[in-house]
Amino acid sequence: DSGVTQTPKHLITATGQRVTLRCSPRSGDLSVYWYQQSLDQGLQFLIQYYNGEERAKGNILERFSAQQFPDLHSELNLSSLELGDSALYFCASSGGLRMNTEAFFGQGTRLTVV
Amino acid sequence: AQKVTQAQTEISVVEKEDVTLDCVYETRDTTYYLFWYKQPPSGELVFLIRRNSFDEQNEISGRYSWNFQKSTSSFNFTITASQVVDSAVYFCASNTGFQKLVFGTGTRLLVSP
Repeated sequence: DSGVTQTPKHLITATGQRVTLRCSPRSGDLSVYWYQQSLDQGLQFLIQYYNGEERAKGNILERFSAQQFPDLHSELNLSSLELGDSALYFCASSGGLRMNTEAFFGQGTRLTVV
Repeated sequence: AQKVTQAQTEISVVEKEDVTLDCVYETRDTTYYLFWYKQPPSGELVFLIRRNSFDEQNEISGRYSWNFQKSTSSFNFTITASQVVDSAVYFCASNTGFQKLVFGTGTRLLVSP
């Protein structure tokens, strides 16, 4: 158990819909990262939050947004969903700004858009 | 920009064989970090090891060992006496200590009884 909790584990939704993925970091970790794993793109960094503030952006679509709350949990919002958004979405957390320490990932949320 | 290459898409071995998974990285930074993760069929990403660019010592953890060679920009992973439970996709990744991890495309390891 990595200590990072993601809910839900599975999500099936229709095109055009909006979903919210939730992540609770390990106790004491201030940084949360979101990654997308798809068959064609592999594992790609989406966005990082540190102590409530956005710190880095990767290849995140404009239809996607995220936030980190005062209790440090994070949510990834995906809207106007398309078939191509079907993927495994991972959250990871680390203690500080840098991800050079042991970076622990949650079990992922498998999103299927039909 | 960083890049990680795992040229082996899939490797099949029989139990008890040794297997080496290759990882080649590219970076312009002098300080960087290298990682290996395991993704079993259940889907989670399991952290295996982190190495920084200043520490070229090889590491052994049970049946797992890692060979870091800056001269060839490689960070290879060897499983000794493989077991069926080792069947998974293994990812090599790197970062400069800031922000994102850059992952390779992964190597699927199939260990048959």
